[in-house]
Amino acid sequence: DTAVSQTPKYLVTQMGNDKSIKCEQNLGHDTMYWYKQDSKKFLKIMFSYNNKELIINETVPNRFSPKSPDKAHLNLHINSLELGDSAVYFCASSQSTGGLGYTFGSGTRLTVV
Amino acid sequence: QQQVKQSPQSLIVQKGGISIINCAYENTAFDYFPWYQQFPGKGPALLIAIRPDVSEKKEGRFTISFNKSAKQFSLHIMDSQPGDSATYFCAASGQAGTALIFGKGTTLSVSS
Repeated sequence: DTAVSQTPKYLVTQMGNDKSIKCEQNLGHDTMYWYKQDSKKFLKIMFSYNNKELIINETVPNRFSPKSPDKAHLNLHINSLELGDSAVYFCASSQSTGGLGYTFGSGTRLTVV
Repeated sequence: QQQVKQSPQSLIVQKGGISIINCAYENTAFDYFPWYQQFPGKGPALLIAIRPDVSEKKEGRFTISFNKSAKQFSLHIMDSQPGDSATYFCAASGQAGTALIFGKGTTLSVSS
C-alpha cells in the first residue's frame, strides 16, 4: 500500500496550458503539503493544509492553486504554465503541523516546453 | 534568506569511511531537526531526527550531533556503504503551524 501517492508521475506540457497534480494519503494524517524541488534539488514549501484548511501559503504565484476536498487529498492546479514551473513537485503528509513525521510521495516531474 | 545552511554540497567517501554533513540554522524558535535521505526518482525519506534537549542521537550507523549554543547540527554516517549513495537533506521546524525548512542538500557518493 502506497502511503502518499501522486499522479501523474511525469507531466510534459506546453507553455500556457493548465494542469493538475493529484495527491492522496492513506495514513490518516491531518496535514498535507506541497513542496517544489528545483533542478538544484532545493526543496521549498509551497502550501500546507490542516484538516482541509489552508495554513501555509508561501510566496507562490497565484497561478498555483491548491485544493483539499477532504483531509486525505490535496491537489495542485497550475494555470498558464511557464517554463520556470518545470520542477519536481512533492506532496507530503504528517500527523500534525510543526514538521514532525513527514511522509513524502514519489514526486511528479513537470516539464514545460 | 536561507534559514538552514548545509555543507558540503557534494561528498565522496571511500567504502567503510565516515561521511559527515553539517548544517547551521538561524531561527532559535526551531525545535525539531530531522535528516532526510533521497534516492534518484524517489521522494525524501526520514532518516533520523533530534530535539534540542539532547546533544546526540544514534540509530545504527547514523548519528546526529547537535550543538545548541552554536546553532549547528551534523549527520555522521559510520562505515559508509555504496548503498548510502544518495542526497541528504537537513531540515528544521518550529512551532505548530509551520512546515519543515530544508537545507540545500548534499550529494553523497560512496565509492567501492
